[in-house]
Amino acid sequence: GAVVSQHPSRVICKSGTSVKIECRSLDFQATTMFWYRQFPKQSLMLMATSNEGSKATYEQGVEKDKFLINHASLTLSTLTVTSAHPEDSSFYICSALLRGKDGLSIQYFGAGTRLSVL
Amino acid sequence: QQPVQSPQAVILREGEDAVINCSSSKALYSVHWYRQKHGEAPVFLMILLKGGEQKGHEKISASFNEKKQQSSLYLTASQLSYSGTYFCGAGGSYIPTFGRGTSLIVHP
Repeated sequence: GAVVSQHPSRVICKSGTSVKIECRSLDFQATTMFWYRQFPKQSLMLMATSNEGSKATYEQGVEKDKFLINHASLTLSTLTVTSAHPEDSSFYICSALLRGKDGLSIQYFGAGTRLSVL
Repeated sequence: QQPVQSPQAVILREGEDAVINCSSSKALYSVHWYRQKHGEAPVFLMILLKGGEQKGHEKISASFNEKKQQSSLYLTASQLSYSGTYFCGAGGSYIPTFGRGTSLIVHP
């Protein structure tokens, strides 16, 4: 299957600082990537859709100035949590969309980033 | 709108079978199934499209009933490695809305 790398896997930061999370598709090009947030024992909640070369599309209720997304290349999307606060602590997961020759599009997920804001 | 999964949790012994259901209040055009182990990334299992079904793994299969707006995931002769949380994603495109998940625990 396709491989998506997410880094870092865990980060602890002080309140008020910014944190950048990287998501890379290693063996395929992804014009579209997604960022999710997952609370303990909860489902995956889509935060935004990241499109290479254009602005990200944010889901309702997600602050675009808080969660900055940059998709500068076909293999890399970054999520920056600006001025992080303890309530931003969560598990963040990215996925990259692989478009198959058969017309099917499947999301492949990164391993996630555990963010803890002190 | 988030699809509803049932049951919330399943505990079984190695070799037993399990069924996980996913239902939606909206018309379904595709259903995605993923398995996530604790602290890891969700792993794609299979996708089912309107008008057909696709078997992704040898002992894990799924059905898709468009009229009932439901999908079921069948795990046959469960192995210890099947343990994890199973998510169904339902939607009309490649951006599914995920259910809350079903926790599956397989004991020796």
